[in-house]
Amino acid sequence: DTEVTQTPKHLVMGMTNKKSLKCEQHMGHRAMYWYKQKAKKPPELMFVYSYEKLSINESVPSRFSPECPNSSLLNLHLHALQPEDSALYLCASSLTEGEKLFFGSGTQLSVL
Amino acid sequence: GESVGLHLPTLSVQEGDNSIINCAYSNSASDYFIWYKQESGKGPQFIIDIRSNMDKRQGQRVTVLLNKTVKHLSLQIAATQPGDSAVYFCAENIPGNQFYFGTGTSLTVIP
Repeated sequence: DTEVTQTPKHLVMGMTNKKSLKCEQHMGHRAMYWYKQKAKKPPELMFVYSYEKLSINESVPSRFSPECPNSSLLNLHLHALQPEDSALYLCASSLTEGEKLFFGSGTQLSVL
Repeated sequence: GESVGLHLPTLSVQEGDNSIINCAYSNSASDYFIWYKQESGKGPQFIIDIRSNMDKRQGQRVTVLLNKTVKHLSLQIAATQPGDSAVYFCAENIPGNQFYFGTGTSLTVIP
């Protein structure tokens, strides 16, 4: 299995909603990542988990809350988002930090 | 056809021609580079990688060239096909750091 699976594929939420994005991989990778991508822009790093511990938080607002329940799963909890948070949210994994990234197909998020 | 990344973010080529996509990276300490292809509505897909101890690496129809002197990376696609139409990103990794992506080049293949 060489896939990173993200759910849902699309999400529309209001500014007062709470929702979660989910990511799963079964490649035995020990590093997992959240990236944010705006249209026609490169992916921007948000969070890195290494061996299930938060390794990097790229100064992301607290309305985004990551969670790594185990080595195969990564969640991103969303609360009180703003319309400017609308973007494609990409999950990636790698064998360890610094190794090549494998990306999921992303969750297209719209905040109304 | 050839792009210069930041200054020419779109590239159009005829089917069957060779394509060259360029990337200028920023940090001389970067030692690992990857090219990704991203189709509309999908996540980036790994194409080919190269470490700084090499200056050329070949894959199936793709070649990556690395010039550390001028901090330049290029992706050559041979016999470009309509399925190659996508946005191409280079990513650089600094030891002990994460991958950071270039601005991307949109490749359109004209049948």
